[in-house]
Amino acid sequence: GAGVSQTPSNKVTEKGKYVELRCDPISGHTALYWYRQSLGQGPEFLIYFQGTGAADDSGLPNDRFFAVRPEGSVSTLKIQRTERGDSAVYLCASSLNQLRANTGELFFGEGSRLTVL
Amino acid sequence: KNEVEQSPQNLTAQEGEFITINCSYSVGISALHWLQQHPGGGIVSLFMLSSGKKKHGRLIATINIQEKHSSLHITASHPRDSAVYICAVGETSGSRLTFGEGTQLTVNP
Repeated sequence: GAGVSQTPSNKVTEKGKYVELRCDPISGHTALYWYRQSLGQGPEFLIYFQGTGAADDSGLPNDRFFAVRPEGSVSTLKIQRTERGDSAVYLCASSLNQLRANTGELFFGEGSRLTVL
Repeated sequence: KNEVEQSPQNLTAQEGEFITINCSYSVGISALHWLQQHPGGGIVSLFMLSSGKKKHGRLIATINIQEKHSSLHITASHPRDSAVYICAVGETSGSRLTFGEGTQLTVNP
């Protein structure tokens, strides 16, 4: 499809395990954002990529969280030693190149629902 | 006090009614986004505004930069408009979007 694709759509894991969540943005979109949404709350910012580089990773909650975008397209969010509090929907959004973040229309994926038991 | 505040939190309307959702913010912004989120989580961008007014079909969004306020209007509302509507601002000082708490809209037939 032509939209933002996220996989897996659902992931159930055990506390302490390692998890990878993938985001495939719209072709040609250089800006990519990861957000996390807990039940009943609004999304919260995690990290922003412009091309291959993480332009702003100030939203990552701790060093168990890491994200890469090695070729400036697909991005992977990696969570080590998962905790129950990591359970949330992880949302990815992409946008065309912009001089300033968040000044272009954002296209969101359907999200990856992570449940840590 | 949240940096982005929406009102009302919940809104129930009858089909055909004119609906207004308000958003106030306290920070300097580069742009303001109105988003729609349906049950199941999918988020759709409705508008991105930095000034003035935009219209798309039955939806109208306005922003007053001086007053730090934006409104989303829905004309001739329909049950399929039922969703959570979220205001989010892109701050001039960084890369993150700051989201409002959302407005749960229910339109009854």
